[in-house]
Amino acid sequence: DGGITQSPKYLFRKEGQNVTLSCEQNLNHDAMYWYRQDPGQGLRLIYYSQIVNDFQKGDIAEGYSVSREKKESFPLTVTSAQKNPTAFYLCASGANVANPEAFFGQGTRLTVV
Amino acid sequence: AQSVTQPDIHITVSEGASLELRCNYSYGATPYLFWYVQSPGQGLQLLLKYFSGDTLVQGIKGFEAEFKRSQSSFNLRKPSVHWSDAAEYFCAVVSSNTGKLIFGQGTTLQVKP
Repeated sequence: DGGITQSPKYLFRKEGQNVTLSCEQNLNHDAMYWYRQDPGQGLRLIYYSQIVNDFQKGDIAEGYSVSREKKESFPLTVTSAQKNPTAFYLCASGANVANPEAFFGQGTRLTVV
Repeated sequence: AQSVTQPDIHITVSEGASLELRCNYSYGATPYLFWYVQSPGQGLQLLLKYFSGDTLVQGIKGFEAEFKRSQSSFNLRKPSVHWSDAAEYFCAVVSSNTGKLIFGQGTTLQVKP
């Protein structure tokens, strides 16, 4: 079954710890995205990647890091430098720039205590 | 810079009434435009998209949207709202040059019986 898988659905971490959120797609898409969603603020772009081994900062990249070593995978690390990491994180993928329709995973809710 | 504005944060309509959700974008060239819908705690589902051609586009669940270049708008409409349409709706634009996909702040739709 093709799609985007985010895991886990819920994640709890202590303040000061780094945490990595998983995003895998089997749609053979070139582009992948990470968004953060907070109530009343819509989806804010953290990082995006158009091709393997390349990625760009979005609008709120501070305190986050990503890698794109494989086409299928785009993990997001929330570092201890992120001042307010508790949020709902959404991963998406799109075929390419010419066909940019994005497909979303079900999200990961991260709670830092 | 690329941006998307959804002026209405919250809209309430009666079941069976018509609906229009507003979206304005800022982008230099002809944009790729999308409307997505999100149920609580879930990912986003694509309702419809505009890349080029006919400015009135049809989507799923009886939704349609009209691209108006002169007004930089891409408003979503539905002739008769159903209770199951209650959700959050997001307008999005992607740069055809960079592939950067950004979203508006979202509009929460409440449907009264």
